[in-house]
Amino acid sequence: DAGVTQSPTHLIKTRGQQVTLRCSPKSGHDTVSWYQQALGQGPQFIFQYYEEEERQRGNFPDRFSGHQFPNYSSELNVNALLLGDSALYLCASSLPGTQYFGPGTRLTVL
Amino acid sequence: GENVEQHPSTLSVQEGDSAVIKCTYSDSASNYFPWYKQELGKRPQLIIDIRSNVGEKKDQRIAVTLNKTAKHFSLHITETQPEDSAVYFCAASSGGGADGLTFGKGTHLIIQP
Repeated sequence: DAGVTQSPTHLIKTRGQQVTLRCSPKSGHDTVSWYQQALGQGPQFIFQYYEEEERQRGNFPDRFSGHQFPNYSSELNVNALLLGDSALYLCASSLPGTQYFGPGTRLTVL
Repeated sequence: GENVEQHPSTLSVQEGDSAVIKCTYSDSASNYFPWYKQELGKRPQLIIDIRSNVGEKKDQRIAVTLNKTAKHFSLHITETQPEDSAVYFCAASSGGGADGLTFGKGTHLIIQP
């Protein structure tokens, strides 16, 4: 039974660029949530996707957008990257209910 | 929105002793409280969770208690072992866990040999 997977593992971008991160949920899970974890901090909720719709959103600007596909996988897009966007981006899948995290994508913005 | 405070930020205990980490939350609508363990460079892993219809839950050496009136919940680890060293995060959400999680800032637990 495959767990939550994310790609890529690491990514380096420059300010102003755009980035797309990908997440495949655990088998049988239909809900995907995205979190941003800055160094030394707890994860912060970005948004959640269910049935291909954004179901809930945290306190993040419109530069952060997402998508969920019919197979429940999801993408997180960030436009006009800022230095402060450097963080570990985690996705979590659920049924909904208990959330299981993927290994994350480490984004560095230079 | 929800606000979760977690204390202490660092906790050092002797191997074999108990460790207690405490969290408070602000939103009375929150009804699901998970705890995650995150080792350096790894993903957060769920270690135990509790829903608001129970006051305590135990799984081997780990237990969580919830006081809805005071809006606080705690993680208890007994007979600590070196592999318990990690950062622990508490979180809260509404919708029985269906909603996004609000995390505390984390507790770095250090087990001294």
